[in-house]
Amino acid sequence: NAGVTQTPKFQVLKTGQSMTLQCAQDMNHEYMSWYRQDPGMGLRLIHYSVGAGITDQGEVPNGYNVSRSTTEDFPLRLLSAAPSQTSVYFCASSYSIGTGNTGELFFGEGSRLTVL
Amino acid sequence: AQSVTQLDSHVSVSEGTPVLLRCNYSSSYSPSLFWYVQHPNKGLQLLLKYTSAATLVKGINGFEAEFKKSETSFHLTKPSAHMSDAAEYFCVGGGILDSNYQLIWGAGTKLIIKP
Repeated sequence: NAGVTQTPKFQVLKTGQSMTLQCAQDMNHEYMSWYRQDPGMGLRLIHYSVGAGITDQGEVPNGYNVSRSTTEDFPLRLLSAAPSQTSVYFCASSYSIGTGNTGELFFGEGSRLTVL
Repeated sequence: AQSVTQLDSHVSVSEGTPVLLRCNYSSSYSPSLFWYVQHPNKGLQLLLKYTSAATLVKGINGFEAEFKKSETSFHLTKPSAHMSDAAEYFCVGGGILDSNYQLIWGAGTKLIIKP
């Protein structure tokens, strides 16, 4: 089973460039999300989706866009990269996130982004 | 407001000795609680999950956690540490943020195993 697949694993950008981090899952999960991980700050939620065509903002959405045209894919777009966006990005999916019915999050292996 | 607090940023133990990683939560209702583990340069993996069926939850690799409502705690323990346990551990709780149900992450505890 592939699970959650993220690409690319590493990327270096210059300030102002744009790029897309790809995320795909093959578990038919309705819930997908993007996190960023910075030293000493744990994981912070950027955007999430509870199904195809539905997206919402998390804790730190500024500078990022998402879309969910299919159940499988949830790309994260950086519109104009800034050094503050240097981080490790994780995509995660679950069959359900909700009161009394929260399932395991399955994570990709991460995408390490450096913005110069 | 809901919150999850991991009380130690680093914990260092010797191989073969017990492990205790502490987590406190605040929630206005009975929460969903999880522990995840992240080995160096890897993604995160679920260790265990509290579902309200039992207060003592057993997870993978010999870890377990006990939900104590009176202390609002969900500490992670293991009787005997192994070198392969060296990793970062995250306590996670379900709660309401900005009117939406969300997972709330602790800041993480780095477990160091001394030979």
